[in-house]
Amino acid sequence: DAGITQSPRHKVTETGTPVTLRCHQTENHRYMYWYRQDPGHGLRLIHYSYGVKDTDKGEVSDGYSVSRSKTEDFLLTLESATSSQTSVYFCAISKGLAGDYDEQYFGPGTRLTVT
Amino acid sequence: AQTVTQSQPEMSVQEAETVTLSCTYDTSESDYYLFWYKQPPSRQMILVIRQEAYKQQNATENRFSVNFQKAAKSFSLKISDSQLGDAAMYFCAYCRRNNLFFGTGTRLTVIP
Repeated sequence: DAGITQSPRHKVTETGTPVTLRCHQTENHRYMYWYRQDPGHGLRLIHYSYGVKDTDKGEVSDGYSVSRSKTEDFLLTLESATSSQTSVYFCAISKGLAGDYDEQYFGPGTRLTVT
Repeated sequence: AQTVTQSQPEMSVQEAETVTLSCTYDTSESDYYLFWYKQPPSRQMILVIRQEAYKQQNATENRFSVNFQKAAKSFSLKISDSQLGDAAMYFCAYCRRNNLFFGTGTRLTVIP
């Protein structure tokens, strides 16, 4: 158990509204990640963070922004939600100092539906 | 871009038998890690096993082992003595420089 929680766990929202998902960790690990999981695609990296205020884009970053003002929290924001962003969102952390090649541990996921 | 291919969308195995899940990947790098993750119906992603590309010895974790063929870019997972609790989606993943690339998964059914 890597002490990762995600909130909310489920959310339904309307197209065009802003949405923020929160990932919280209790162990102060440096690296945090946001993924989305869609049928036929597995999990795909949206953004990741390698420290407070240090973030970078992943494979599918368009339409998403992130922020990390504290070590323990990593926020994912959809500025204007679209139906194509309906998905299950996973947060993950890696426990190593380098982060480059460490296994990642995942939160329980957030199911987001955009109507 | 790195790609990971799992060519078996679904597999089934009799309880107590052995099953092998296939995974191939495409990369031009020499340093990378490979992982297998399990996702049961609870949706939680659970790390099953990891393999460092620089290691020739295949990784083993209890009933789970891998067959890592670096030249062939192949990374299969063998589950021995299958149990009902092994039923899940299994994802192969390639990792390099903070990017974890996943395959599309194999759904494993365990038949009592």
